[in-house]
Formats: sequence, C-alpha cells, structure tokens
Amino acid sequence: AQSVAQPEDQVNVAEGNPLTVKCTYSVSGNPYLFWYVQYPNRGLQFLLKYITGDNLVKGSYGFEAEFNKSQTSFHLKKPSALVSDSALYFCAVIPHGNNRLAFGKGNQVVVIP
Amino acid sequence: EAGVAQSPRYKIIEKRQSVAFWCNPISGHATLYWYQQILGQGPKLLIQFQNNGVVDDSQLPKDRFSAERLKGVDSTLKIQPAKLEDSAVYLCASSLDRLVMNSPLHFGNGTRLTVT
Repeated sequence: AQSVAQPEDQVNVAEGNPLTVKCTYSVSGNPYLFWYVQYPNRGLQFLLKYITGDNLVKGSYGFEAEFNKSQTSFHLKKPSALVSDSALYFCAVIPHGNNRLAFGKGNQVVVIP
Repeated sequence: EAGVAQSPRYKIIEKRQSVAFWCNPISGHATLYWYQQILGQGPKLLIQFQNNGVVDDSQLPKDRFSAERLKGVDSTLKIQPAKLEDSAVYLCASSLDRLVMNSPLHFGNGTRLTVT
C-alpha cells in the first residue's frame, strides 16, 4: 500500500530564509506526487504535482519541489519564505494505475517575521 | 469562480445520534469527493462520485456512513449512528477530471464534527 511520511511536525523559519518541507514516499512502481497547502480557516489548495519528466517542478506562490527517485523523496522548497506562507502543508502520493490520494499527516510551517 | 461550499461549518452531537453534511461543488465539476480528516492526520478518502455514480467507496464504513449525489451536483454525507471516533473534519472536494493526476482537487472549508 502507498504511504507518505512527513517526518517533522513543525518547521520554523525566519522570513526571507529558504523554506524546505520534507516528504518521503513508499509505493509500488512509479509515483504521482502532490503538494497541497491549507491556510488557516481555508480549504486545502493545490500547489504542484510531479507526474513525469523534469524532476524539478514549479508551482504556485513561488514553491517548487524536486522528485528524487533514489531517495524516494519529494521535498517542497521556496527560496525566500514569507510570513503569509505560514500554513499546514500536505504531501500526497498515488501510484501509477491508482486514483486514490494518500496524504501525509501534514507539516505546520511557521514563518517568523 | 465560486469555491466548494459546505455546511454546516461545525456540528456537535452525542454518540448514537445521526448527522448529515452538505456539499455543493464548483459548477461544472463532475467529480466529487468526501474525505475524513482526523486531528493530526492527513485527509482520508471516504467516497468518490463521477456525476451521480460512485467510483470508489472502498474506504467508506458502510454500516454507518452513507452518501448520495442524486442529481450529479450537490451531495450529502450521513452518519448514523455516530461514534466517538467519528469526530473529525469532513472535507468535500471537486475536480474537473475523474483522474486525480489530470486536474487538481478543490476543497471546501470542511465541517468539523464533534461526537460527545
């Protein structure tokens, strides 16, 4: 069965510093990978996805993520964090041939002014 | 465009009572999902509809949960009878395409259910 691990409960970063949110996955075969973000009192919003092709994918709000097959990782990154990036970030995976998203438990990101 | 609408926003019930949640997806989105998000966990799929047909309900506890989307637009999710472990946020999402890889899910704000 597919699964996603987001090892850190909370990520604290100073405004202007690089932001990284970690995600590792476990699936049979090649994965489709996603990042969603949940701002306070808002529904989850799609950030980006990896389906195939270039391992570095770019998404909304200046975020990007790199697919690393050998490390089974899909870490989310942003070069310079904003206070408005403070939110709950979810990594999700589905294996090829499946259509059911398996979400990680989420990482709370706190950007300190 | 208007987002996914859900109601109520909050609900508190006693165990063994019944409860229903309502969802109105984004106009034109044929695919609708219900997810359960328990505190500290990621969302878990309960059921997926394509128009008014069920695509995937393998993770729906059918002894107490039911869902319908009779006219292929609005949907309701019902729990009867509720248990303490049903306390969670119930999320509705919709998308243009039935395949998750093809189009992103748009989520509503959710209904927070507390069972006492």
